[in-house]
Amino acid sequence: GAGVSQSPSNKVTEKGKDVELRCDPISGHTALYWYRQSLGQGLEFLIYFQGNSAPDKSGLPSDRFSAERTGGSVSTLTIQRTQQEDSAVYLCASSLSGREVFGEKLFFGSGTQLSVL
Amino acid sequence: KQEVTQIPAALSVPEGENLVLNCSFTDSAIYNLQWFRQDPGKGLTSLLLIQSSQREQTSGRLNASLDKSSGRSTLYIAASQPGDSATYLCAVRSTQGGTSYGKLTFGQGTILTVHP
Repeated sequence: GAGVSQSPSNKVTEKGKDVELRCDPISGHTALYWYRQSLGQGLEFLIYFQGNSAPDKSGLPSDRFSAERTGGSVSTLTIQRTQQEDSAVYLCASSLSGREVFGEKLFFGSGTQLSVL
Repeated sequence: KQEVTQIPAALSVPEGENLVLNCSFTDSAIYNLQWFRQDPGKGLTSLLLIQSSQREQTSGRLNASLDKSSGRSTLYIAASQPGDSATYLCAVRSTQGGTSYGKLTFGQGTILTVHP
């Protein structure tokens, strides 16, 4: 596609429910990243995919958070038993290869605004 | 642990002024530094990327410099316009760990308002 697409753009859920956030990266981009932006906080790294594998998932805040990527394309971030502190904007980004030698830029989607009531 | 700080937190200037945004980072072992722009309710748009071996990058009215040894970068915006109003974020990609390619560390951002 022309850019990184995320859905839904807004999600309101009740505490304790599970949610799934979707990211469609730019076609041909092998690297995919999830970040979280909370009110008053900077952007926080969650997980990085190279193809379908995740060599770095060190930013996932708890075992309630998981992510997968299939076909080297679409990624889903799942949050189980949501808590109010999970409320944030979840941003997805992609880049061509994810390798430093290229010094490549990341392209971000518009994000999913998650509100946990 | 890499930490990124941006100063000022907010800046309001009249149209036409030249301005400088500052970014500092604590660990100089970086691959690159990237400046982003974020508009309300939107994602991030990459403005400039400076490799660790480079000193500056230019794009139109924007110029970003990097002094890796002192852990500093500046974003210079010439002849500012109301359309430049946005939050500006800098982010560094550290070399720590062989698989941490995805881990950009962001500053808190500078909220820029350019008024007519």
